[in-house]
Amino acid sequence: DAGVTQSPTHLIKTRGQQVTLRCSPKSGHDTVSWYQQALGQGPQFIFQYYEEEERQRGNFPDRFSGHQFPNYSSELNVNALLLGDSALYLCASRAWGTPELGVGYTFGSGTRLTVV
Amino acid sequence: AQKITQTQPGMFVQEKEAVTLDCTYDTSDPSYGLFWYKQPSSGEMIFLIYQGSYDQQNATEGRYSLNFQKARKSANLVISASQLGDSAMYFCAMREEGYGGATNKLIFGTGTLLAVQP
Repeated sequence: DAGVTQSPTHLIKTRGQQVTLRCSPKSGHDTVSWYQQALGQGPQFIFQYYEEEERQRGNFPDRFSGHQFPNYSSELNVNALLLGDSALYLCASRAWGTPELGVGYTFGSGTRLTVV
Repeated sequence: AQKITQTQPGMFVQEKEAVTLDCTYDTSDPSYGLFWYKQPSSGEMIFLIYQGSYDQQNATEGRYSLNFQKARKSANLVISASQLGDSAMYFCAMREEGYGGATNKLIFGTGTLLAVQP
């Protein structure tokens, strides 16, 4: 049973460019969340998608946008990249129909983005 | 404001000994869940243990146990019989129920780097 798959694993971009990161959720999961983890920090919530809509958003500028496809996979887009956007971007999935607090999320291994 | 605090940037422990990783939290929501995740160098967040705010007993999962002191707002992770493979970053996280059911946002601390020495 495949877990959460993220691509690419590593990426180097130049300031001002745009980037797209991809995530395939665990089988049976329909909700995808994205987190940004800067070096030496804990992950910060970016946003969460369910039924192809953004359902919740963290404190991130509009340069960060996303999309969810009918097969539940998701993309994270970042425009006008800044040096400060360099981080590990983690995708996490869960099943929306299990709202219990204790239901854990399944995380992918992340995409490490370096902006130069 | 919702916040998770981990005050130990790094910890050393001898193989086969027990270690406690500290976590305090702040929330005004009476219903919340506390999680511990392990993050090896590969980057993946691995779920270890969960404690609900209304749970009467401390959670245990194999060698992991959570020392939950609600009045003190602390949720320390105890790893018994440490193994070399336990060397990793450990994150404490919280999820609040909020209104209309459980929200999906996890709030993480800054983590503790655990090094297990042979």
